[in-house]
Amino acid sequence: DAGITQSPRHKVTETGTPVTLRCHQTENHRYMYWYRQDPGHGLRLIHYSYGVKDTDKGEVSDGYSVSRSKTEDFLLTLESATSSQTSVYFCAIREGITNEKLFFGSGTQLSVL
Amino acid sequence: AQKVTQAQTEISVVEKEDVTLDCVYETRDTTYYLFWYKQPPSGELVFLIRRNSFDEQNEISGRYSWNFQKSTSSFNFTITASQVVDSAVYFCALTPRGRDGTASKLTFGTGTRLQVTL
Repeated sequence: DAGITQSPRHKVTETGTPVTLRCHQTENHRYMYWYRQDPGHGLRLIHYSYGVKDTDKGEVSDGYSVSRSKTEDFLLTLESATSSQTSVYFCAIREGITNEKLFFGSGTQLSVL
Repeated sequence: AQKVTQAQTEISVVEKEDVTLDCVYETRDTTYYLFWYKQPPSGELVFLIRRNSFDEQNEISGRYSWNFQKSTSSFNFTITASQVVDSAVYFCALTPRGRDGTASKLTFGTGTRLQVTL
């Protein structure tokens, strides 16, 4: 499982509330990613990180922010959750500098009511 | 911009049949990587294969085989003698081959759901 832990695994929240999802890795990988999975869209990149305090936007970054204060943790925050952010969120790590393979965590099912 | 198209939304086969999942991609990059991932009903994403754009050899791993054709921008996946355990959603993905130290950002297709029945 490449040492990736996502928490929580499931969350139900209300529209307008802030939500933070956590991705924790144990193998000191430099690159970390947040994707969301929705029917008919596959997986889409939200944000990614290439080191501590180094992050960049993906294709669906609106409404999301991220932080990476430690190598092992990559946080995804929904400042004010909306129903359109109901989704399954996957964290991923990239193995090594030259290896382009991504390995994914188990996912977080988020429901915004 | 990159694009990955998996035109088959859902495929149903009977066990022991062979099945091919199609993947067509678009990219302006001259070097890139292609991937297949499997998502079983449990929900996790399982890495199956990575292929470099400059290596057009077909690959076989047990019952799985992959046919990469650069001329048609396709990277198709065949399961021989399918089994019930092959039932899953399969995703094809693409990323440009960046310089060492640059982030790889996979673009995924919308997935093909494979149902294998007895």
